[in-house]
Amino acid sequence: GEDVEQSLFLSVREGDSSVINCTYTDSSSTYLYWYKQEPGAGLQLLTYIFSNMDMKQDQRLTVLLNKKDKHLSLRIADTQTGDSAIYFCAERHSSASKIIFGSGTRLSIRP
Amino acid sequence: GAGVSQSPSNKVTEKGKDVELRCDPISGHTALYWYRQSLGQGLEFLIYFQGNSAPDKSGLPSDRFSAERTGGSVSTLTIQRTQQEDSAVYLCASSLAGTGSVGELFFGEGSRLTVL
Repeated sequence: GEDVEQSLFLSVREGDSSVINCTYTDSSSTYLYWYKQEPGAGLQLLTYIFSNMDMKQDQRLTVLLNKKDKHLSLRIADTQTGDSAIYFCAERHSSASKIIFGSGTRLSIRP
Repeated sequence: GAGVSQSPSNKVTEKGKDVELRCDPISGHTALYWYRQSLGQGLEFLIYFQGNSAPDKSGLPSDRFSAERTGGSVSTLTIQRTQQEDSAVYLCASSLAGTGSVGELFFGEGSRLTVL
C-alpha cells in the first residue's frame, strides 16, 4: 500500500511546542519529507530525513523517524503565529519513484 | 530563473467540456508531477514523469484523465467530459531526480478548475 496518514487538525498555544504525526505504510521508503503550505501560497519543502536516520534537527524543527513503526513526527519548538499553515508529510520509495503525500495537518495557533 | 509556471490559473467550465491545463517546469528538472488538491483534502497523486521513462499513471482517477510531456519539458494535463467532482486545484511540481538527489519538489501556483 501507499497510504500516508496524518491527523487533520492541531491547535496549540503560542509559545508551546507543536508535534505533528504521520504514519506511512511502505517500509522501503528512502526519503521522508515535511512540506508547508501557508494560506494562499504554494507548498514548500520544510525539511526532510533520509531513511537511515532516526532524528534530524534544524533550528526550531525536530524530525523523528521510527522505521519499525513507520512513524514520522515533526516537532516545532516555541510555536509562533507565523507557523500557522497546513503541514504535509510525504514519502519517496526510491530515487526514481513518485512522491506520495498525506492529507495534511492544519496547525492553528491560539494566543 | 523562473519557477514552475502553470496556466490557466483559473478555469471555469461547463460539465461535459474538455479542459487542458499546462505546466512549464523549472529548466533542467527531469521529474514532473501532477497532483490534485480538493477543498479540504490532501494532495492526491495523479501522474509522474521521469526523464524518458514511461510515466507512472497509477494515480489517474479515470480514463477521462490523461497527460503528456513533450520534449522532456512542458506538460499538459487533459480532462475530457469534465464532471463536477473534477473541481479542484491541480498542482504541478518538478524536481531534480536521480540517485543522490533529495528530490525536493518545486510547486507551481496551481490551476483552479471549477466545473459548473
